[in-house]
Amino acid sequence: SAVISQKPSRDICQRGTSLTIQCQVDSQVTMMFWYRQQPGQSLTLIATANQGSEATYESGFVIDKFPISRPNLTFSTLTVSNMSPEDSSIYLCSVGQEDGYTFGSGTRLTVV
Amino acid sequence: QKEVEQNSGPLSVPEGAIASLNCTYSDRGSQSFFWYRQYSGKSPELIMFIYSNGDKEDGRFTAQLNKASQYVSLLIRDSQPSDSATYLCGGGYNKLIFGAGTRLAVHP
Repeated sequence: SAVISQKPSRDICQRGTSLTIQCQVDSQVTMMFWYRQQPGQSLTLIATANQGSEATYESGFVIDKFPISRPNLTFSTLTVSNMSPEDSSIYLCSVGQEDGYTFGSGTRLTVV
Repeated sequence: QKEVEQNSGPLSVPEGAIASLNCTYSDRGSQSFFWYRQYSGKSPELIMFIYSNGDKEDGRFTAQLNKASQYVSLLIRDSQPSDSATYLCGGGYNKLIFGAGTRLAVHP
């Protein structure tokens, strides 16, 4: 399975600012995904990021709020823009392969 | 309607018993289904995946898929206290949508 390095692992941010989360994979993968896990909740898919095309966002998520980059087959970023306390969550990246989906260690974001 | 439905529990079973976790899905286009275990403060880890009707066994775990009924289950035999975690059922086509997760507590 692919190994994912995600950073930062945690951050505390002021409302109104933006944070960019990075995911680096140790092998080339076609599909990368970004999830949000709010406190006490399950994982919610934000978007699918494929190299060379615009990210596909799930219902309830928009590009202006969560812009995503996918410059190559091993790297992606998710930006959480104009943050509010409601954005306080764990954000995880994931890659999909034939034997399952692997997750990064997550970014714990607290907005104050 | 949520695409994947799970009973959030908690499900409490005694040590050594069989834990049965269930999930239904609405998208008939979903091809593969996955069971993940998530300990508090950790990322999800894959237990099993299944894409054919029937049963798939791996050690103490058995996944079952019934596409006609749009139903997926996970059986954990000889449950151990270390199995206490949240179990996430997920499925989809070229993406993974999770249910709400079921909290399992195995008590000695």
